[in-house]
Amino acid sequence: DAGVTQSPTHLIKTRGQQVTLRCSPKSGHDTVSWYQQALGQGPQFIFQYYEEEERQRGNFPDRFSGHQFPNYSSELNVNALLLGDSALYLCASSLNFGGEQFFGPGTRLTVL
Amino acid sequence: QKEVEQDPGPLSVPEGAIVSLNCTYSNSAFQYFMWYRQYSRKGPELLMYTYSSGNKEDGRFTAQVDKSSKYISLFIRDSQPSDSATYLCAMRDRGSTLGRLYFGRGTQLTVWP
Repeated sequence: DAGVTQSPTHLIKTRGQQVTLRCSPKSGHDTVSWYQQALGQGPQFIFQYYEEEERQRGNFPDRFSGHQFPNYSSELNVNALLLGDSALYLCASSLNFGGEQFFGPGTRLTVL
Repeated sequence: QKEVEQDPGPLSVPEGAIVSLNCTYSNSAFQYFMWYRQYSRKGPELLMYTYSSGNKEDGRFTAQVDKSSKYISLFIRDSQPSDSATYLCAMRDRGSTLGRLYFGRGTQLTVWP
């Protein structure tokens, strides 16, 4: 049984560029949440998708947007990248929005 | 004040020691409490999941929740070098933010042989 998968593993971008990160949930899960984890910090909630809609959102600017597809996979898009966007981006899946969340390995984004 | 406070350590103990990890929180609406283990450059792995106050044991791990004090703990008995990782506490409520996890910053643990 495949767990949560994320791609790419690593990414290097320059300031002002745009990036798209991808996540496939654990088999049987229908909800995807995205978190940003800066070095030495705990993960910070970005947003959650359920039934292809953004169900709730953390304190992140509109530069951060997402999408969920009918097969429950999800994308995180970040526009106009800033140096401070450098972090590990984690995707977590769950069975409905209140279920236990299982995390993927993350995508490490470096903005130069 | 952050909603979840966790001492980042680092914490270094000899193999076989009992490890105590703790978090405090300010939001009395939190009802679900979790501990995740995160190895370097990996995603967090769910270790323990508890609801409301009380204790839960799973092998060498025991999670305690004291809602009256807004304090949670994770105890690791007979610690092993393979337990060396960062331990994150997380919690959430039952209301409108049901799906959102609030994390501490993590405690870095090293168990030396």
